[in-house]
Amino acid sequence: GEDVEQSLFLSVREGDSSVINCTYTDSSSTYLYWYKQEPGAGLQLLTYIFSNMDMKQDQRLTVLLNKKDKHLSLRIADTQTGDSAIYFCAERKPGGSYIPTFGRGTSLIVHP
Amino acid sequence: NAGVMQNPRHLVRRRGQEARLRCSPMKGHSHVYWYRQLPEEGLKFMVYLQKENIIDESGMPKERFSAEFPKEGPSILRIQQVVRGDSAAYFCASSPDGQDYGYTFGSGTRLTVV
Repeated sequence: GEDVEQSLFLSVREGDSSVINCTYTDSSSTYLYWYKQEPGAGLQLLTYIFSNMDMKQDQRLTVLLNKKDKHLSLRIADTQTGDSAIYFCAERKPGGSYIPTFGRGTSLIVHP
Repeated sequence: NAGVMQNPRHLVRRRGQEARLRCSPMKGHSHVYWYRQLPEEGLKFMVYLQKENIIDESGMPKERFSAEFPKEGPSILRIQQVVRGDSAAYFCASSPDGQDYGYTFGSGTRLTVV
């Protein structure tokens, strides 16, 4: 497909794990990113993964990359209400001016 | 060490007026990127600039929109003769070079055209 695809909404209970999924477009994309956007704010880079990796862990965050399926996921362990935000997946394709292409974002709602 | 500064945070314009959005990149960053976020949509790339140069404007509408990043001062995104469809959040991001591990975004300017 032409677009980076993400589901629009995810609702979880506080303390559970959240898994946000993304399908990107170009199997030769070099970097894949996860950004977080809180209400009324800009995007904050959470983590990124280089295409020669299949997993990256950073505290409560785990990124899994499946290059064959062009699938990226972000797992948030022990999800807190402060994790409620919109999460954007982005890919950086090779060549050109290396501009990342963003998905539409997944709204994560964490309820007590 | 201030982050990416955008102003104004909110801008209201009547149809037909001009909108000017300003972005000051992080200190030491010489690459600036503008994105637009329409309601219920993701971020769409508009333009990528370095000092005094437009590197990639493939996402800019052909008419009414222009951008600059002068040698001194902030980057400016200018929208002439605004229409209701221009209402959106406009985000600026910066990086120290064009091949970065991720951008730093500003908090955005929310443009409302009435």
